[in-house]
Amino acid sequence: AQSVTQPDIHITVSEGASLELRCNYSYGATPYLFWYVQSPGQGLQLLLKYFSGDTLVQGIKGFEAEFKRSQSSFNLRKPSVHWSDAAEYFCAVGARGGGADGLTFGKGTHLIIQP
Amino acid sequence: DGGITQSPKYLFRKEGQNVTLSCEQNLNHDAMYWYRQDPGQGLRLIYYSQIVNDFQKGDIAEGYSVSREKKESFPLTVTSAQKNPTAFYLCASSMVGGSVEQYFGPGTRLTVT
Repeated sequence: AQSVTQPDIHITVSEGASLELRCNYSYGATPYLFWYVQSPGQGLQLLLKYFSGDTLVQGIKGFEAEFKRSQSSFNLRKPSVHWSDAAEYFCAVGARGGGADGLTFGKGTHLIIQP
Repeated sequence: DGGITQSPKYLFRKEGQNVTLSCEQNLNHDAMYWYRQDPGQGLRLIYYSQIVNDFQKGDIAEGYSVSREKKESFPLTVTSAQKNPTAFYLCASSMVGGSVEQYFGPGTRLTVT
């Protein structure tokens, strides 16, 4: 079965600084990979996804993520954060070819933006 | 606009009462899911359904029940058998079951006292 680790529970970044949120997965082959964002008391919104092809994927709100097979990682990046980016971020993995129960989520990283 | 609606946003119940959370989608998605979210725990899968009149238990199904009588609707009942029902509940849907992206509703905060 697949699993996802987000090593950082909290991350604090100054407004305007760059951001990288880490995600490591465990799966026997190349999985489907996703990043979601959740504002307090809200549902999850899909930021971006990787299925195949170019390992650098672009998403909404200026986010991007890079799939690195050798490191089993799918880190999320943004060159310059805005105060509105403060939220909880979840990495998720899906198994190719099956897994009717869908995605496996990491426990999330809480992003704090300092003025 | 297409999307997923969950109602109510906040729900309060006394211990020992069953309570039903609503989830409706107009995305024409076949698969629907219920998750429970607790602080620091991420999302845990309660039940999922790939087709009408069929559903399967997820990782933490004990104390919960669901039905799928219509494609658009997947209500979740939190029964009195659920030991710690206070949580944030999220409903999601996807085009087909499996590993494609899921779309989420706004959630229901259930508080049981």
